[in-house]
Amino acid sequence: GDKVKQSPSALSLQEGTNSALRCNFSIAATTVQWFLQNPRGSLINLFYLVPGTKENGRLKSTFNSKESYSTLHIRDAQLEDSGTYFCAAEAGNNRIFFGDGTQLVVKP
Amino acid sequence: GGIITQTPKFLIGQEGQKLTLKCQQNFNHDTMYWYRQDSGKGLRLIYYSITENDLQKGDLSEGYDASREKKSSFSLTVTSAQKNEMAVFLCASSITVSNERLFFGHGTKLSVL
Repeated sequence: GDKVKQSPSALSLQEGTNSALRCNFSIAATTVQWFLQNPRGSLINLFYLVPGTKENGRLKSTFNSKESYSTLHIRDAQLEDSGTYFCAAEAGNNRIFFGDGTQLVVKP
Repeated sequence: GGIITQTPKFLIGQEGQKLTLKCQQNFNHDTMYWYRQDSGKGLRLIYYSITENDLQKGDLSEGYDASREKKSSFSLTVTSAQKNEMAVFLCASSITVSNERLFFGHGTKLSVL
C-alpha cells in the first residue's frame, strides 16, 4: 500500500541464516502488527507492538514511531518460516493499513 | 483460544450474481472486519463492525453490503459479482476497536466466471 511500504518485496534465505524485513510508514502509526501468511493462506499474528521491541523465539520486532518504521528480524531461518510476511499499522483513528508483503523463501 | 470460521472456503459465482460470505468467531470479540486480498497484494478493508448491529465502511465498501447479525457473526455480500473477478476475502476479529490485535479466519476464495 502507499501508506505502508514493505521491503524487500521478495527474499531468499539459506536455512540457518539471519535477515531483517522492514516497514516504513507515511502515516503517524500508533501500533504495528506483523503477520505470516502461510502457503495455505492463513494469516498468523506474530507481533502486536506499541513503540518498542518484542521478542518471540527466533523472531524479534522493533517499532520506532518517531522515525516511522518497524523491523522484523529472523534469526536462524528454518524451512517453516517460508511464506509472506505482512506488516500493518494503525493510524490512530482505528484504521489499519497493510503493506504489500515480503515473500520469503527459506532454502535447505 | 478461539477460532474464526469462514464459509464457504471456495465460492464460484456468475457475473451479476449476489453472493454472501459468512464468518463466525468464538473469541467473544467485540470488533469484526472484512478484508479483501488480491493476488500479490496486501489487505484492504471493506467493512468493519465494532459491536452487534454496528456497521462501518472501509476503503473498499462500494459493491458490498455487510451485516452483523449477532456478536459472533459477520456476513459480507457481494452485491453484483464482476466478471473474471478473483480475490480472497478474509474475516478478522479483535477484542475491541481500541485493542486491534487482529485474528484471522482462513479466507474465502472467490472466482467469478
